Amino acid sequence: QVQLAQSGAEVKKPGAPVKLSCEASGYIFTSYVIHWVRQAPGQSLEWMGRINTGIGETKYSQKFQGRVTITSDTSASTAYMEVSSLRSEDTAVYYCARENGVDPVAFDFWGQGTLVTVSS
Amino acid sequence: SSELTQDPTVSVALGQTVRITCQGDSLRSYYASWYQQKPGQAPKLVIYGKNNRPSGIPDRFSGSYSGNRASLTITGAQAEDEGDYYCTSRDSSGGWVFGGGTELTVL
Repeated sequence: QVQLAQSGAEVKKPGAPVKLSCEASGYIFTSYVIHWVRQAPGQSLEWMGRINTGIGETKYSQKFQGRVTITSDTSASTAYMEVSSLRSEDTAVYYCARENGVDPVAFDFWGQGTLVTVSS
Repeated sequence: SSELTQDPTVSVALGQTVRITCQGDSLRSYYASWYQQKPGQAPKLVIYGKNNRPSGIPDRFSGSYSGNRASLTITGAQAEDEGDYYCTSRDSSGGWVFGGGTELTVL
């Protein structure tokens, strides 16, 4: 069965970077795009960026361009997202999600989420 | 505009029909998808494309479009349908955008 397993919770100080992982199983990793979405406490979902795991091509939200880097390791079936220069407003649950391969707006499987807390 | 606007809260009596809407200019060009989220859980895809349901989603969920508005309709709402609902679509820069979410209460 398709699963996206995300790394554990992180506590970071302002200005520090964080790197999150999303390990895929149950399907051919390079056949599907992976997106990263975050949700601040009590807030809506916010799209951050995505990676075409087959060719490594990325696209980022203009809001995060330059501060977010998405990569993948096909040998490990894992996608990564690094967020630099963390600030308190980056405290959120970060999700990875798989694009369903038919409709680019359909994210059919999601990871369990990783809570990132930014606090001094 | 790259924004998607949703009503913050909607309520429906048990067994009745409810429509949750999502409005934005990008919906004139792109389909939306709809996600259900319950407290402490990841979002779950319920409708995508013109009106497609992933496997396991009850057929009481349906999607439709009119102009710059997408709608999610639940026909015969059940208690387990309570939760937050989010629409998403593409934006004018080629990225993705989510609506602000609608909290559905089943009375």
